[in-house]
Amino acid sequence: SQTIHQWPATLVQPVGSPLSLECTVEGTSNPNLYWYRQAAGRGLQLLFYSVGIGQISSEVPQNLSASRPQDRQFILSSKKLLLSDSGFYLCAWSDPSSEAYNEQFFGPGTRLTVL
Amino acid sequence: KQEVTQIPAALSVPEGENLVLNCSFTDSAIYNLQWFRQDPGKGLTSLLLIQSSQREQTSGRLNASLDKSSGRSTLYIAASQPGDSATYLCAVNDYKLSFGAGTTVTVRA
Repeated sequence: SQTIHQWPATLVQPVGSPLSLECTVEGTSNPNLYWYRQAAGRGLQLLFYSVGIGQISSEVPQNLSASRPQDRQFILSSKKLLLSDSGFYLCAWSDPSSEAYNEQFFGPGTRLTVL
Repeated sequence: KQEVTQIPAALSVPEGENLVLNCSFTDSAIYNLQWFRQDPGKGLTSLLLIQSSQREQTSGRLNASLDKSSGRSTLYIAASQPGDSATYLCAVNDYKLSFGAGTTVTVRA
């Protein structure tokens, strides 16, 4: 069966510091991968998605970036965090060969607080 | 742009009562619709996926219906239990998932 991991689970960082959040998927090959942010009082916002190694699409311009160095690894980064980057970050995957187009499965999330 | 609305925003019911959660969307050109459950501070758990060609989907006490032409889906939870307390999110899939803000359910023992 497939599992998705995210770490760290929680993170408190000062404004201006760098960020690296990691997501890995087990039990599947060539998944589509997604990063979402869930801010307090707001819905889920798609940040980035990837259909393969090195292929990243950005949905929202901001000071975050994403990379996919391996097939089942997805990394969210920032060089300098802003207060507005605080939120709950969720990674998700989908099977591009599935009949259920773009059915997504989510990881446990990372709670980021920027002070 | 797809807009997804969930009503009500919050719901409190006594144990044993049936739950009815509503989701509406503005663009009916969708592939499918997913219902998720989110516990506080946790990730999303997929409950049901309804394909655009389907009218309903069932899993245990959960039943979800889809009326694509009117842009509506309803999630029914039968005989609610305190363990059903959570936030329920619907997500409409055209080329990407568009989420509603969720309905927070409290089931009182």
